Amino acid sequence: AQSVTQLGSHVSVSEGALVLLRCNYSSSVPPYLFWYVQYPNQGLQLLLKYTSAATLVKGINGFEAEFKKSETSFHLTKPSAHMSDAAEYFCAVRTTGGGNKLTFGTGTQLKVEL
Amino acid sequence: KAGVTQTPRYLIKTRGQQVTLSCSPISGHRSVSWYQQTPGQGLQFLFEYFSETQRNKGNFPGRFSGRQFSNSRSEMNVSTLELGDSALYLCASSLEGAPGNTIYFGEGSWLTVV
Repeated sequence: AQSVTQLGSHVSVSEGALVLLRCNYSSSVPPYLFWYVQYPNQGLQLLLKYTSAATLVKGINGFEAEFKKSETSFHLTKPSAHMSDAAEYFCAVRTTGGGNKLTFGTGTQLKVEL
Repeated sequence: KAGVTQTPRYLIKTRGQQVTLSCSPISGHRSVSWYQQTPGQGLQFLFEYFSETQRNKGNFPGRFSGRQFSNSRSEMNVSTLELGDSALYLCASSLEGAPGNTIYFGEGSWLTVV
């Protein structure tokens, strides 16, 4: 079964600092990986996705992620954090076997401090 | 282009009652999935419907059910509500044809069981 693991349930950074949110996947086949963001009292918004076209994926709001097969990782980064980035971030893998089912990580709450 | 629309946004029910939540997918999307989000269990897949047929099912008791109509709109029902069913219920829709297609989420329906 495919799964993702997010290391660190809470991450705190200073405004302007690098943001690094970690995600490792487990899959016996090439995975389709996604990062979603959830602001308080809202649904999930797609930040970016990996579909094997390119290992470095750029998303919205200045975020990007690099797929590293050797490390089974898909970490999310942003060079300079902004206060508006404070939210919960979820890594997800699309499961094989047909259909549109996502398996999510446990989420990382990002706090941005002045 | 309208996004995924869920109604109602907030509702309070009493233990033992039943509830029906509604989801209108993005126009042209025939796949609709439902997820439950709780602080303790995170985001869990409930089921997916495609062309009015349930295609995938998560590990939830039979009290949780759903259906999809010919216009792709979907409803989910929870019968005999328990306190533990209090959660954010998210609906998602997607196109068919490629596993890299984006899965779009609605704002969710907040269910409180008292």
